[in-house]
Amino acid sequence: EAGVTQFPSHSVIEKGQTVTLRCDPISGHDNLYWYRRVMGKEIKFLLHFVKESKQDESGMPNNRFLAERTGGTYSTLKVQPAELEDSGVYFCASSQDSYTEAFFGQGTRLTVV
Amino acid sequence: AQSVAQPEDQVNVAEGNPLTVKCTYSVSGNPYLFWYVQYPNRGLQFLLKYITGDNLVKGSYGFEAEFNKSQTSFHLKKPSALVSDSALYFCAVRVLGGYQKVTFGTGTKLQVIP
Repeated sequence: EAGVTQFPSHSVIEKGQTVTLRCDPISGHDNLYWYRRVMGKEIKFLLHFVKESKQDESGMPNNRFLAERTGGTYSTLKVQPAELEDSGVYFCASSQDSYTEAFFGQGTRLTVV
Repeated sequence: AQSVAQPEDQVNVAEGNPLTVKCTYSVSGNPYLFWYVQYPNRGLQFLLKYITGDNLVKGSYGFEAEFNKSQTSFHLKKPSALVSDSALYFCAVRVLGGYQKVTFGTGTKLQVIP
């Protein structure tokens, strides 16, 4: 069974540009999470989808970030326009239900220059 | 609000010695606790979890963790460290029940010295 996959693995963009990160969860997992780790700090929660609905988006930093999960399958996280402080590793995770652990993707390392 | 503290940025241990990576948590309600490991250039891998039951839980690669409710701790342990255990370890907590987000600590870098 395929795990959580994220694309791209690395992205380097200039300040002001737009970047879209993609996450394909494990098939059948209704819960999908986005997290971000910035420069050696904790892994911070961004948002949580249950199927196609946003269950909790309290961790989204500002309105430059937009997450979608069309049809309850894969998810995208768009940053527009990107700022220097958006650099970090963006992790996606999925879980089958509320009582099982989340499985993480390998992360997307975003560098804004 | 829930939180996790990993007081040590780095832990160094000699190969073959026991290791402990510390974690304390704060949560309103019953905790659901996790340990994840991140090897270089890899994603987070699940190690073990505590929901209810025995306070000592066993996980992957010979790791175990002890839940201590009175001290609100969930320290990760291994009786004999391997060089291959060198990695970044994250403790995490969520409230048991419902659709709740998981909160992570800052991570502890474990360095096992040959």
